[in-house]
Amino acid sequence: DTVLTQSPALAVSPGERVTISCRASESVSTLMHWYQQKPGQQPTLLIYLASNLESGVPARFSGSGSGTDFTLTIDPVEADDTATYYCQQSWNDPWTFGGGTKLELK
Amino acid sequence: EVQLQESGPGLVKPSQSLSLTCSVTGYSITSNYWGWIRKFPGNKMEWMGYISYSGSTSYNPSLKSRISITRDTSKNQFFLQLNSVTTEDTATYYCARIFWGPYWYFDFWGPGTMVTVSS
Repeated sequence: DTVLTQSPALAVSPGERVTISCRASESVSTLMHWYQQKPGQQPTLLIYLASNLESGVPARFSGSGSGTDFTLTIDPVEADDTATYYCQQSWNDPWTFGGGTKLELK
Repeated sequence: EVQLQESGPGLVKPSQSLSLTCSVTGYSITSNYWGWIRKFPGNKMEWMGYISYSGSTSYNPSLKSRISITRDTSKNQFFLQLNSVTTEDTATYYCARIFWGPYWYFDFWGPGTMVTVSS
């Protein structure tokens, strides 16, 4: 299975720029997607196909990468962005998720 | 807008079967693909499988001998059955719509239902 590795946690101040990384154990082309999950809620789609912003998602969110290295950027971070962020690939079977990065605001 | 809602028992005994229903409104399950994902305590997420607009299925090989996904198009529902459960199947279970065009990702999720496996 394709293993997706994310940093477990980050802490930033509102107004700062934050990058969340996701590294794949093998190439996933650009079939990498990002989800936000707030406590007690379901995940919601932020970015699909590495860099495409889902409709309704603020332009503060952006994604980049291809192959094995991907990044989700939030600029500027707002208090409402406190959540866990997951990457997920759909290039290789079975589809897999990263372990999640918990973003906390200072 | 499409909405999904999971339902089913919150407690299942070890060795028994786990059965969940996903009720979909605002969109026909005879379009797109529809999947099940679970999130374990500790935040690990696992894609379990999906059923297509035509009724074909695909499963995560880690579950292939225990899982079945079916549907009832007249009720616009699809179902998850997981057999021979153990405490390791304790998780929050989500159903989701899969965008298929031809790239695959989960674009709408249900709120999830927590299932505990315990005697």
